[in-house]
Amino acid sequence: DAKTTQPPSMDCAEGRAANLPCNHSTISGNEYVYWYRQIHSQGPQYIIHGLKNNETNEMASLIITEDRKSSTLILPHATLRDTAVYYCIVRANSGGYQKVTFGTGTKLQVIP
Amino acid sequence: NAGVTQTPKFRVLKTGQSMTLLCAQDMNHEYMYWYRQDPGMGLRLIHYSVGEGTTAKGEVPDGYNVSRLKKQNFLLGLESAAPSQTSVYFCASSYGQAIYGYTFGSGTRLTVV
Repeated sequence: DAKTTQPPSMDCAEGRAANLPCNHSTISGNEYVYWYRQIHSQGPQYIIHGLKNNETNEMASLIITEDRKSSTLILPHATLRDTAVYYCIVRANSGGYQKVTFGTGTKLQVIP
Repeated sequence: NAGVTQTPKFRVLKTGQSMTLLCAQDMNHEYMYWYRQDPGMGLRLIHYSVGEGTTAKGEVPDGYNVSRLKKQNFLLGLESAAPSQTSVYFCASSYGQAIYGYTFGSGTRLTVV
């Protein structure tokens, strides 16, 4: 799987948009970008994933650059409950089982 | 709808003791996984299973054994616990390879003294 790089921590004011970046410069053509988050002491929770196009769901939006070397997870109106560690993962969805490792992610602190 | 249930939630072991962590899922998922999480290390894959009766090694399998005798259960065993195995253990399951389908349990906090 392609390596990802995320900032270790970020702050965001409550009610503002939180933009979490992820670099994946070695991503292959068949690899998707996935985002998970882990709220304190809980198991990680799937947020969103995408291949080339931008994606949006009820939780967040995912913006992938045209060259696919980086992406941004956007939480449009951050709340205190969004305080969590956010993981960016890159992997293919085919070709047999591939081990998935969650790195250290970005610790997002939403400030009142 | 229980999802993924891990038992126990907390455990303290003495060095050299053995124990089994149980993971049960009620979603008919084929794939199941055991991860450990240490401070500042993210989650690391210990073992995984791609179906009933199958198991395979992940990144950090040493000191652990697993079994998947029933599709809904994935057991993680520590034969002789060591302080280095103090960690939070997470179980997860999925329908298949796509990781958007991962459902995680709430974790087991294990301390080995």
